Amino acid sequence: DAEITQSPRHKITETGRQVTLACHQTWNHNNMFWYRQDLGHGLRLIHYSYGVQDTNKGEVSDGYSVSRSNTEDLPLTLESAASSQTSVYFCASSSGSAETQYFGPGTRLLVL
Amino acid sequence: GESVGLHLPTLSVQEGDNSIINCAYSNSASDYFIWYKQESGKGPQFIIDIRSNMDKRQGQRVTVLLNKTVKHLSLQIAATQPGDSAVYFCAENIRGGKLIFGQGTELSVKP
Repeated sequence: DAEITQSPRHKITETGRQVTLACHQTWNHNNMFWYRQDLGHGLRLIHYSYGVQDTNKGEVSDGYSVSRSNTEDLPLTLESAASSQTSVYFCASSSGSAETQYFGPGTRLLVL
Repeated sequence: GESVGLHLPTLSVQEGDNSIINCAYSNSASDYFIWYKQESGKGPQFIIDIRSNMDKRQGQRVTVLLNKTVKHLSLQIAATQPGDSAVYFCAENIRGGKLIFGQGTELSVKP
């Protein structure tokens, strides 16, 4: 069955380190999204992509970057991790605009 | 500005009763709305969706109502079960597939 996976599921890192979170989908969806979820803020969009080589900034993109070299993957990189980036990160994908986004299981990141 | 919000942050219901979760949105141009269910430690799970050219859509035990006049969305769960206990989010689709999420309502089902 098609699915969307994230790795690692849990990560502890130190302030200033570069961290990359992986997202892989087998739906063959063009659109992929990264969100962070914090208490009191719900889900907030970090970056998104409408296809290979396309990336766009979302609502809370500072300190994050993404790249889209193929349809299946959208890795999220924290260039220099900060304690404010401690959060749960969700990846999602959809087949197009105005279509349902399907979410991965999430990555819980702790920055010490 | 754009916002999607929920009237009730928590909702406690008796098993077997019907549940209603409400959501307000502010963007008149939104063309698609989705309800998600999120259980502890898991990602949001699609429940039901509705497009702006509809005012009601039914699924298995769930119904979504859309009132564009007052920009209001609701999720009705019939015969609520303990397995329905979770946080429920409404989401509003704007500008090419981006979703704006509400804060979420925690549904607690009492046996």
